[in-house]
Amino acid sequence: EPEVTQTPSHQVTQMGQEVILRCVPISNHLYFYWYRQILGQKVEFLVSFYNNEISEKSEIFDDQFSVERPDGSNFTLKIRSTKLEDSAMYFCASTTTGISYGYTFGSGTRLTVV
Amino acid sequence: AQKVTQAQTEISVVEKEDVTLDCVYETRDTTYYLFWYKQPPSGELVFLIRRNSFDEQNEISGRYSWNFQKSTSSFNFTITASQVVDSAVYFCALSEAGGGGATNKLIFGTGTLLAVQP
Repeated sequence: EPEVTQTPSHQVTQMGQEVILRCVPISNHLYFYWYRQILGQKVEFLVSFYNNEISEKSEIFDDQFSVERPDGSNFTLKIRSTKLEDSAMYFCASTTTGISYGYTFGSGTRLTVV
Repeated sequence: AQKVTQAQTEISVVEKEDVTLDCVYETRDTTYYLFWYKQPPSGELVFLIRRNSFDEQNEISGRYSWNFQKSTSSFNFTITASQVVDSAVYFCALSEAGGGGATNKLIFGTGTLLAVQP
């Protein structure tokens, strides 16, 4: 079964550093997403991406965040200057539409900011 | 506005008991999808079921069953004869899919932690 692949599985970074979280969505999917889950809390939508541009972003997704699909296969989330409160699990997801509509999540990247 | 409510924060049962996890949703759309995900201690989100708003048939998959009732905006999940391996956080989620897909974000509930004791 096709998978969404996220790397790394765990990243530790110092406050103020830039981090890039990487995702390889399912190849025939067209819509890509990042979600965040602070430890012990619910999963929250960050951003959706379609046709090489952001289609929607939440209020969490401020100027410190950016997304990119640099080469047609990878989908990245960049946090420019990390804060302690950015520590969370970050999930990438991809979907298609129509009768086969479904949501496939990657296994997540646990980001720890120290 | 879209909203998903899982009022049960934690449930503890003894193995072989049946347990029902409640999910109530709010949406203005007539076309939407409802999901259940399982999150074991390892942290990944495991897809369990997707149901669209036009299909109110209940579904059974092994020990799992789902009861979708549009009249009460509920999509409840029952585990029959629970097992220790069912211990996890379970999330209900809503996607308003009427717009063709570009912004079909998932709105998650706060999750229910299910602990199945041996």
